[in-house]
Amino acid sequence: GESVGLHLPTLSVQEGDNSIINCAYSNSASDYFIWYKQESGKGPQFIIDIRSNMDKRQGQRVTVLLNKTVKHLSLQIAATQPGDSAVYFCAENIGQGGKLIFGQGTELSVKP
Amino acid sequence: NAGVMQNPRHLVRRRGQEARLRCSPMKGHSHVYWYRQLPEEGLKFMVYLQKENIIDESGMPKERFSAEFPKEGPSILRIQQVVRGDSAAYFCASSPRGTDEKLFFGSGTQLSVL
Repeated sequence: GESVGLHLPTLSVQEGDNSIINCAYSNSASDYFIWYKQESGKGPQFIIDIRSNMDKRQGQRVTVLLNKTVKHLSLQIAATQPGDSAVYFCAENIGQGGKLIFGQGTELSVKP
Repeated sequence: NAGVMQNPRHLVRRRGQEARLRCSPMKGHSHVYWYRQLPEEGLKFMVYLQKENIIDESGMPKERFSAEFPKEGPSILRIQQVVRGDSAAYFCASSPRGTDEKLFFGSGTQLSVL
């Protein structure tokens, strides 16, 4: 089975609130993690990545946190907007070239 | 700079026919990955190719599925004698170095088997 999973399959937030999407991974050899956003009918779009030698990385309105002790990854979206509505996937590189293993996904719904 | 190009966007086949899905990676990328996505599910890795070589095909079904990435031209994912269970979205991604780096995805091919 997949080594990457998500705690919550759906998340509904109010516009302007912060969103937190969680992901658990089981492969301790994984050294690189990515969050992708997928809108309906489209391919996954890169959001942010983090390497295992870091525990936090910030982008524009997004922050990724990595807790290697408990093998947990999270994506925080600040001031969530309707355009953020999509399915979010975490993915890990387990050291087999460029191959990524994806989690199940969390659907984020933003209410106006 | 064109992204990863996949065609066709939609493909309809009857059971028993062949399906050919094409993927042109981003300019300068020599590593290609194919993923399959069923409705309401994540992306399942199928195969990883470099020019003229299959690097990892651990996610490919043992029968009916094949992939190639020739020296010239796009990568092709071929499904012979399609069955209804093959209906899915097939995504191609590419990367420049084939190491721990982000993959760039195409818009996918939606295969429907009647």
